[in-house]
Amino acid sequence: EVQLVESGGGLVQPGRSLRLSCTASGFTFGDYAMSWVRQAPGKGLEWVGFIRSKAYGGTTEYAASVKGRFTISRDDSKSIAYLQMNSLKTEDTAVYYCTRAPGGYNSRWFDPWGQGTLVTVSS
Amino acid sequence: EIVMTQSPATLSVSPGERATLSCRASQSVSSNLAWYQQKPGQAPRLLIYGASTRATGIPARFSGSGSGTEFTLTISSLQSEDFAVYYCQQYNNWPITFGQGTRLEIK
Repeated sequence: EVQLVESGGGLVQPGRSLRLSCTASGFTFGDYAMSWVRQAPGKGLEWVGFIRSKAYGGTTEYAASVKGRFTISRDDSKSIAYLQMNSLKTEDTAVYYCTRAPGGYNSRWFDPWGQGTLVTVSS
Repeated sequence: EIVMTQSPATLSVSPGERATLSCRASQSVSSNLAWYQQKPGQAPRLLIYGASTRATGIPARFSGSGSGTEFTLTISSLQSEDFAVYYCQQYNNWPITFGQGTRLEIK
């Protein structure tokens, strides 16, 4: 069974940092691009960032709202994707979902999704 | 940035009836459009990709159509488990963008 499990969420003060992890199982992690999507309380889905597989250079893309503050990385040997979040703002408060891009290079739909981890940025 | 606009914001339909949800893109996204279902307290679930291809395990009552800027998700005969929020997502251009969602509620 393909599974994604996020961890690392919690309460953090504005301006501080937090690192989320996404542990994958049930598939060859290194073959797939991964992405992070967030959802503020009571709001819709907002794409955060994307990391390609090493076959496509392992390069990244980010939403403008997080570019320069957030960094996505991957450790294929451990089947883990990371979201490093720096200079956190109150508006970053959300459930953060990890998800897989199951298609090829241009296939940026997402399936499956993890259960999400809540990040609360507050003083 | 491509803006995705979903309509209506809320749709009230009786079980057994057909539901039609719309998604419009601010510029062409070709067929690079996906639909997701999200129930309260749960992660989104992929329904449709490539505008019209059902994801694995998705019932045939779900169908997607459209290309360019106009897309439709149709649920042919609503079951109780279909009442949820539905999102469209374009992946033709960076940044990837989602619609604001359509809440499908029981009439």
